[in-house]
Amino acid sequence: QSALTQPRSVSGSPGQSVTISCTGTSSDVGGYNYVSWYRQDPGKAPQLMIFDVSKRPSGVPDRFSGSKSGNTASLTISGLQAEDEADYYCFSYAGSYILLFGGGTKLTVL
Amino acid sequence: QVQLVESGGGVVQPGRSLRLSCAASGFTFSTHGMHWVRQAPGKGLEWVAVISFDGSNKYYADSVKGRFTISRDSSKNTLYLQMNSLRAEDTAVYYCAKDLAYRGVIAPFDYWGQGTLVTVSS
Repeated sequence: QSALTQPRSVSGSPGQSVTISCTGTSSDVGGYNYVSWYRQDPGKAPQLMIFDVSKRPSGVPDRFSGSKSGNTASLTISGLQAEDEADYYCFSYAGSYILLFGGGTKLTVL
Repeated sequence: QVQLVESGGGVVQPGRSLRLSCAASGFTFSTHGMHWVRQAPGKGLEWVAVISFDGSNKYYADSVKGRFTISRDSSKNTLYLQMNSLRAEDTAVYYCAKDLAYRGVIAPFDYWGQGTLVTVSS
């Protein structure tokens, strides 16, 4: 199983919206509603931001939203803030107890 | 509050073994699947293994299957990863992570430890 495909980097200015894509196949992203997103700051452990495609854990601002269309999932951050700058990883169940991460996307706030 | 604390990392020669531990607290350890996830230096995250809430089911990434063994001791609230036949490509920070779902094994991971670094080098 190959890792899910994410853009290596995205950027946006404060107040703007950015979307990070995560492309898989019908065997993973497209086949299950078990997509989650993680934020990772340098030298820190990842943090869950979105699960089951579009659900937010308590404490995650509603500026963060998730969606899926076909084999591509997306994380959208609206009202971008400087503190949103981090690496973001998507994740999906791929059946038969195979669990896949995306390659990660570095978000830069200009 | 939920805490996961890994230990056991270090420098090990290729072909040797190492056992990682993850001490859990702040939640009912015996009702949640537990995972190991690793991250090579400067690279992305890679799921390694999961063990079910009662230890009866274990699943592994192809990259470690046959070399790594995940286990748990609910009397000690501790998760383990026995790593044998280590290779240079196993060099990474190893995180333990809790499955969000009651008795779940397919993620998401709602809590993570701080990680422990394993370096495989001669």
